[in-house]
Amino acid sequence: GDSVTQMEGPVTLSEEAFLTINCTYTATGYPSLFWYVQYPGEGLQLLLKATKADDKGSNKGFEATYRKETTSFHLEKGSVQVSDSAVYFCALSPPGGTYKYIFGTGTRLKVLA
Amino acid sequence: GAVVSQHPSRVICKSGTSVKIECRSLDFQATTMFWYRQFPKQSLMLMATSNEGSKATYEQGVEKDKFLINHASLTLSTLTVTSAHPEDSSFYICSASPGGGPLTTGELFFGEGSRLTVL
Repeated sequence: GDSVTQMEGPVTLSEEAFLTINCTYTATGYPSLFWYVQYPGEGLQLLLKATKADDKGSNKGFEATYRKETTSFHLEKGSVQVSDSAVYFCALSPPGGTYKYIFGTGTRLKVLA
Repeated sequence: GAVVSQHPSRVICKSGTSVKIECRSLDFQATTMFWYRQFPKQSLMLMATSNEGSKATYEQGVEKDKFLINHASLTLSTLTVTSAHPEDSSFYICSASPGGGPLTTGELFFGEGSRLTVL
C-alpha cells in the first residue's frame, strides 16, 4: 500500500543554518504531496504542496520539489529561525482525491538562537 | 484559507464518563470530515471518515461503539468518546476539505486539536 517515510528526528540546528528534512513515498500513480507543520499544542497547518512531478512548492522560505524518479519530496530552507521550531509532517493524497491522507511519522525541528 | 475549528481544545474527565468533541467548518461546507488520533511524538492515525447524513466509515481496529461519530450538518461533525478510560487519553484532530466529491488535488484543513485526559 501507499506509504510515506520521513527522516527521524529530532533535528537540532542553530539559527540561520540550512535545513533538509527527507521524505520519500510509495504510491501507485501520481499522488499529491504535502508538507504540514504542527506547532506545540496546535493542529496541523499546510506549509506547501505539489500536485505533479517536477512541481516545486514553496512558502515562508521553505521549498520542496516533487521528484517522481526518486519518489521524494524533501523539505528545505536556506536559513532557519527559532520560530521554525515545530514538527513537520510529509503527507500524500492518493490519486482520485479521496482525502485519505497518508502521513509520515513527523520530524521534530528545534532551532537554537 | 478555509477554517476548521474544534472545541474544546482541552478536556479532562473521569474514567467511565463520555466526552464530546466538536469539529466545525467555519467558512465552507464539508460533506466529509476526518477524525485522527495522535499519540505523543507520533504521527496522525486516521480513525474514521465522517460523512454528512450517513454513517461514519471507521478504519480497521477502531471501535465504532467506543468512538461515536455524528455528522449532523454540512458544517459540524462530533466525536464522542464513550465510557472513556485512561488509555483513551490522546490528542484528537479533525480535518475537512471545501471540495465536494473526489478531487485530484485534495487539500485538507485541520482543526486545532483537542487534548483529552482521562483520569
